[in-house]
Amino acid sequence: EAGVAQSPRYKIIEKRQSVAFWCNPISGHATLYWYQQILGQGPKLLIQFQNNGVVDDSQLPKDRFSAERLKGVDSTLKIQPAKLEDSAVYLCASSLSRGNYGYTFGSGTRLTVV
Amino acid sequence: DQQVKQNSPSLSVQEGRISILNCDYTNSMFDYFLWYKKYPAEGPTFLISISSIKDKNEDGRFTVFLNKSAKHLSLHIVPSQPGDSAVYFCAASSSYQLTFGKGTKLSVIP
Repeated sequence: EAGVAQSPRYKIIEKRQSVAFWCNPISGHATLYWYQQILGQGPKLLIQFQNNGVVDDSQLPKDRFSAERLKGVDSTLKIQPAKLEDSAVYLCASSLSRGNYGYTFGSGTRLTVV
Repeated sequence: DQQVKQNSPSLSVQEGRISILNCDYTNSMFDYFLWYKKYPAEGPTFLISISSIKDKNEDGRFTVFLNKSAKHLSLHIVPSQPGDSAVYFCAASSSYQLTFGKGTKLSVIP
């Protein structure tokens, strides 16, 4: 079984620029998550999709972050404009359903905002 | 407000001995607890879980213990192997959302 694919692996941008991350979950996984992991912290949930609908975006900074999951498969996470404090690893994960907590994580995208 | 706490940032253990990683939580609504393992430059990997209605779950060398009255869980690894060296995250679920601790870096010394 192929894992969760994420790209790019690394990204360096200047503050106030925009950036986008892409995620392809495991085939058949209905639930997709985006997490932000700041250095020295645990992953923090940003947004959760069930198929192509958002079921939880309570911790997403909506003034600058947006995400979509077209056709209930791939997903993109965008930041516009980026701030220095957005420097983190952005992890995508997927699971068969919302109640299945054995998530499969991708390797993440490391974002550095300078 | 940190609802899941891993108070030990790091732990060193000799190969073959037991590793015990600890986790405390504050939210009594958590209904499921998990441990994830993370190697550098990789995403976390699910390791073992336990429902809040149980007090122990075992899978090979890994055992998770839950003490609900103390709001405490622990992960035991016996015997520890050098390949177990990684960062271990404790996580707890409530309302379909996982909350992670900050992680404990385990180093198993050959």
